[in-house]
Amino acid sequence: AQSVAQPEDQVNVAEGNPLTVKCTYSVSGNPYLFWYVQYPNRGLQFLLKYITGDNLVKGSYGFEAEFNKSQTSFHLKKPSALVSDSALYFCAVRDMGTDSWGKLQFGAGTQVVVTP
Amino acid sequence: SQTIHQWPATLVQPVGSPLSLECTVEGTSNPNLYWYRQAAGRGLQLLFYSVGIGQISSEVPQNLSASRPQDRQFILSSKKLLLSDSGFYLCAWSHSYEQYFGPGTRLTVT
Repeated sequence: AQSVAQPEDQVNVAEGNPLTVKCTYSVSGNPYLFWYVQYPNRGLQFLLKYITGDNLVKGSYGFEAEFNKSQTSFHLKKPSALVSDSALYFCAVRDMGTDSWGKLQFGAGTQVVVTP
Repeated sequence: SQTIHQWPATLVQPVGSPLSLECTVEGTSNPNLYWYRQAAGRGLQLLFYSVGIGQISSEVPQNLSASRPQDRQFILSSKKLLLSDSGFYLCAWSHSYEQYFGPGTRLTVT
């Protein structure tokens, strides 16, 4: 079965500093990986995905993620964090089982707090 | 472009009352549709998914049910709400890899 883990419950970073949100995955076969962001009382917004190709994936709002097969990781990064990046971030992996119909397995989420 | 709507945005219902939450998608056809619940905190729990009209798969046994009467309409229902049904309900659609989420419905059962 596919799964993802987000080892950090919360990440604190000062505005202007680099932001990294960690995600590790466990799959059989090639992983399809995703990052989402959720602001309070809102739905999840899709940031980026890795399906195949370049290990560095660029997404919305200046975010990028690096796929590392040997470390089974897919960390989300932003070179310079903004206060407005404060939100809940979810990593997800696509369920590749029979009849899975595109279901995603989400991590527990990481709260990002960016201080001015 | 595609958009997804959910209503109502917020709902306060007494225990034992019925529930009907609606989700509609515009700008696409034959999407896969999903219902999630997010309890206080953060975890997302997949409740139901549908790959076509009248085709519903349940992930977790509970007192909720789902229906898909039209291609782009997905309804979450309950005959009698429990306190534990409180939460943030999210609908999502997908055609390929990623899912796109609606704005959610905040349900409080009192």
